[in-house]
Amino acid sequence: EDKVVQSPLSLVVHEGDTVTLNCSYEVTNFRSLLWYKQEKKAPTFLFMLTSSGIEKKSGRLSSILDKKELFSILNITATQTGDSAVYLCAVEGGGGSNYKLTFGKGTLLTVNP
Amino acid sequence: DARVTQTPRHKVTEMGQEVTMRCQPILGHNTVFWYRQTMMQGLELLAYFRNRAPLDDSGMPKDRFSAEMPDATLATLKIQPSEPRDSAVYFCASGSPRTGLMNTEAFFGQGTRLTVV
Repeated sequence: EDKVVQSPLSLVVHEGDTVTLNCSYEVTNFRSLLWYKQEKKAPTFLFMLTSSGIEKKSGRLSSILDKKELFSILNITATQTGDSAVYLCAVEGGGGSNYKLTFGKGTLLTVNP
Repeated sequence: DARVTQTPRHKVTEMGQEVTMRCQPILGHNTVFWYRQTMMQGLELLAYFRNRAPLDDSGMPKDRFSAEMPDATLATLKIQPSEPRDSAVYFCASGSPRTGLMNTEAFFGQGTRLTVV
């Protein structure tokens, strides 16, 4: 059974801090790893990573995938209160046409002013 | 602005009643997922379809849950009879492999918040 484990489960920081969120996984026939941000409503897509060592960046957010050690990290620099959200890691995997997205339980990030 | 549309947004029902949730995927997407989100379990995959064919519904309690995709613009999730433990937010997501790639990113609807009393 595919498994995605995120840590920490929750994190409280002050504005301006840098945070690192972790995601480890076990999946059959890995295809990609995705990061989502969930505020009050639906998860919104942040990154998709498919190859090791490729760092994806979007402003203050960046992410790296290590396919050998089966983990990814999401970094947020110079955090702002608007970064407060649940960050979800998902892995796409499976055999044949049966590939699916399996999510971790998320990391709740709270950024205080 | 393409989006996944779910109805209803909120539903309060009594135990034992039938609940039907609907999802309109983004036009052209060939994959539809149904997830249930609770504080304890996070996002759990209930079922998913590719090109309208059901691929995996092992995450669903089969005796009370059913998922169908009668056409490319509509996916449904039914619970009959509903129980208080079904209270959760139910998300539909759709996606399609990126051009030239096999990878799929899923776009989520706003969810249906179900409360069974």
